Amino acid sequence: QTVVTQEPSFSVSPGGTVTLTCGLSSDSVSTTYYPSWYRQTPGQAPRTLIYNTNTRSSGVPDRFSGSIVGNKAALTITGAQADDESDYYCVVYMGSGLWVFGGGTKLTVL
Amino acid sequence: EVQLVESGGGLVQPGGSLRLSCAASGFTFSGYPMNWVRQAPGKGLEHVSTISSNGDNTYYANSVKGRFTISRDNSKNTLYLQMNSLRGEDMAVYYCARRVGSTYYFDNWGQGTLVTVSS
Repeated sequence: QTVVTQEPSFSVSPGGTVTLTCGLSSDSVSTTYYPSWYRQTPGQAPRTLIYNTNTRSSGVPDRFSGSIVGNKAALTITGAQADDESDYYCVVYMGSGLWVFGGGTKLTVL
Repeated sequence: EVQLVESGGGLVQPGGSLRLSCAASGFTFSGYPMNWVRQAPGKGLEHVSTISSNGDNTYYANSVKGRFTISRDNSKNTLYLQMNSLRGEDMAVYYCARRVGSTYYFDNWGQGTLVTVSS
């Protein structure tokens, strides 16, 4: 059973930079897993941020960037703003038509 | 504008059945693979099932295999999820999500429909 790991919570100061990570219990995350990132505020549907490791979805500001750092996928937010406070989920493609989500990171901006 | 509107959620007893629908508009539905993703109360997202653009290929998470059936009617621009033998752990908001066929991510999401499993 593959587990995708994310930090349960993270905090960042307004204007600061934060990097959230996404790891695999059984392997290193690479571009071949096509990691993507989504943000979700309470009561709302997820919104796509990053796909194919580092491609920003339409309309996503360039404050959001994706990469591979070490053996994990990473989402970096620069110049954090109050409305960046959300839950952030990564997901990796495992093949055979199946995806596995991480448990999500609750980001606090304070 | 791409729109995905789920319906069919509600209260069902353990062991019961429910069929969810996702009405699509604003794009050529038959050209896109579609997915169901769920979120239990206070929990994270879980990919449930995928169906290819023409409906020929389907995939299921182990947690629902043998109990849930994904299908689509491209003439009605609608995605379905037939859920049988429902359990407490199936209680969640169910989202339909579109995937661009040449990619491996979900580019548009519906607002979700809540399934409550309780006696």
